[in-house]
Amino acid sequence: DAMVIQNPRYQVTQFGKPVTLSCSQTLNHNVMYWYQQKSSQAPKLLFHYYDKDFNNEADTPDNFQSRRPNTSFCFLDIRSPGLGDAAMYLCATSSGTGFSPLHFGNGTRLTVT
Amino acid sequence: GESVGLHLPTLSVQEGDNSIINCAYSNSASDYFIWYKQESGKGPQFIIDIRSNMDKRQGQRVTVLLNKTVKHLSLQIAATQPGDSAVYFCADFTGRRALTFGSGTRLQVQP
Repeated sequence: DAMVIQNPRYQVTQFGKPVTLSCSQTLNHNVMYWYQQKSSQAPKLLFHYYDKDFNNEADTPDNFQSRRPNTSFCFLDIRSPGLGDAAMYLCATSSGTGFSPLHFGNGTRLTVT
Repeated sequence: GESVGLHLPTLSVQEGDNSIINCAYSNSASDYFIWYKQESGKGPQFIIDIRSNMDKRQGQRVTVLLNKTVKHLSLQIAATQPGDSAVYFCADFTGRRALTFGSGTRLQVQP
């Protein structure tokens, strides 16, 4: 009964080859987030959607884009992956109302060769 | 920079003992705090949260304490078990609907 589902769990891409990571949710939450987590570090917010309203963090590279075609799905596109983009990518959701925690998926581990 | 940080990178405790994980935050506007547990290869898992208008909140075997005067947050785990071994993150909201994580503490439970 996973509520935030990320596919695939492991993704290998080549340097410079575009890659898309997927996230879906069954919680009907308004807000969806993408975080990047490198080894032994804290998750770092890349951007989030409140409904269709896109909010980019100031230090997120232009190489990272996102799409949210509907409430349930959100995608992370990396246009030209570099070796430094190898990381765990975490999707999360929240209701966006009041004080509500984020619910995380189990992530996609991206390897860049 | 991040508004939330942790004092110790690794905490080792004996099974059955109580664990205390500490966290300092810098943004006095932070109004909501969450503790997450992250096991290897998994996403962060919600443990407990607290709003800034509270100073203590209890869950099952866990207690969070908030001291706004010194901008300090702690997570207490009672009767620590091997299954509690993980990395623990504190995180805060500042009203932007976005969560900022601290650097994490690894809890190791010795049998």
